[in-house]
Amino acid sequence: QQQVKQSPQSLIVQKGGISIINCAYENTAFDYFPWYQQFPGKGPALLIAIRPDVSEKKEGRFTISFNKSAKQFSLHIMDSQPGDSATYFCAASLTGGFKTIFGAGTRLFVKA
Amino acid sequence: GAVVSQHPSRVICKSGTSVKIECRSLDFQATTMFWYRQFPKQSLMLMATSNEGSKATYEQGVEKDKFLINHASLTLSTLTVTSAHPEDSSFYICSARERFEKLFFGSGTQLSVL
Repeated sequence: QQQVKQSPQSLIVQKGGISIINCAYENTAFDYFPWYQQFPGKGPALLIAIRPDVSEKKEGRFTISFNKSAKQFSLHIMDSQPGDSATYFCAASLTGGFKTIFGAGTRLFVKA
Repeated sequence: GAVVSQHPSRVICKSGTSVKIECRSLDFQATTMFWYRQFPKQSLMLMATSNEGSKATYEQGVEKDKFLINHASLTLSTLTVTSAHPEDSSFYICSARERFEKLFFGSGTQLSVL
């Protein structure tokens, strides 16, 4: 019940295209859903996050879509750029809780 | 966003030696810090949760005597890998929680044990 399932494992997108990464969770108590971006040899960086009281959040080219009834959320990267090539992790946690549960990660490669 | 500084970024040591990794929150007080281990092309594996002024809470399967964690102040946590062996070689990452939810990560430490 603590798992966060992420797909796809890897993704290749043409420059200018839309990258879509999906995650599904089981624990309905989770109330904070962040996405992290990680470049090789670096720690993850918080990209964007959403709470379940909204269905969508947009920050620049990055959008999170959230479906509470389906217990799913996704990251959309519009106008994908080669510089977006990285590993992306979705996560889920409880506000005030100690643990953050991470998805397995998606390796994105944007072709120039 | 908040900054978490982790040092060193890379360390190579001989088998049997101990290695200390530092994690500092630079512009906020972190009552809770986390230590992760990450293998190539895999997700982050939580090793332990570190609370200022108290003993760390280790995840199942993580050897407490092998991975010593000290959270000496609200801005500093250290991970010491004792008597390191080649199987301890990995990428270690710390994170600090700001307020109730946001996690900020250090840049990671690549440990190579020869």
